[in-house]
Amino acid sequence: EAGVTQSPTHLIKTRGQQATLRCSPISGHTSVYWYQQALGLGLQFLLWYDEGEERNRGNFPPRFSGRQFPNYSSELNVNALELEDSALYLCASSDKTGADTQYFGPGTRLTVL
Amino acid sequence: QKEVEQNSGPLSVPEGAIASLNCTYSDRGSQSFFWYRQYSGKSPELIMSIYSNGDKEDGRFTAQLNKASQYVSLLIRDSQPSDSATYLCAVIWGSQGNLIFGKGTKLSVKP
Repeated sequence: EAGVTQSPTHLIKTRGQQATLRCSPISGHTSVYWYQQALGLGLQFLLWYDEGEERNRGNFPPRFSGRQFPNYSSELNVNALELEDSALYLCASSDKTGADTQYFGPGTRLTVL
Repeated sequence: QKEVEQNSGPLSVPEGAIASLNCTYSDRGSQSFFWYRQYSGKSPELIMSIYSNGDKEDGRFTAQLNKASQYVSLLIRDSQPSDSATYLCAVIWGSQGNLIFGKGTKLSVKP
């Protein structure tokens, strides 16, 4: 069974630009979660999508947004990039809404110059 | 505010020893508990999930949950150098869905 996939592996942008990160969940999983892991800050929750709807949002500004497509894949958009947005962005998926096991993809390393 | 606390380490144990990793959480409303392992530069890999009080064993790993004390632990028996990694404790509260992570404990297993 294929795991969670993410693209691209690495992304380099400059301040003020927009970044788009993509995630495909494990087949059969309907929930997708996005997390940010910045150096020294630990894993922080960004967004949770299930069945195409945003279910929960972490303490991040509105320039972090996303969506989930009918095939349950997801996209994270970061507008007006700032230097502190440089981090590893991780996508996870689970097979039902709520308290269930989340499996992580390999991540996208975003560098903002 | 919901928090998950872990000792940052590093925790150093000799090969073959038992490594004990601890985690406390702030809110009794939590219901699902997870341990992930993360190698440097890689994504978190699930080791164990535990939902009810007591012990849960999987191979060399045992997770222990005590909801009254708001405490969850992970024991690694017969530690190997390949176990050297950062271990993340994570909790899901109620129906929020998302994981709240501790900052992780760095484990070093010396040959």
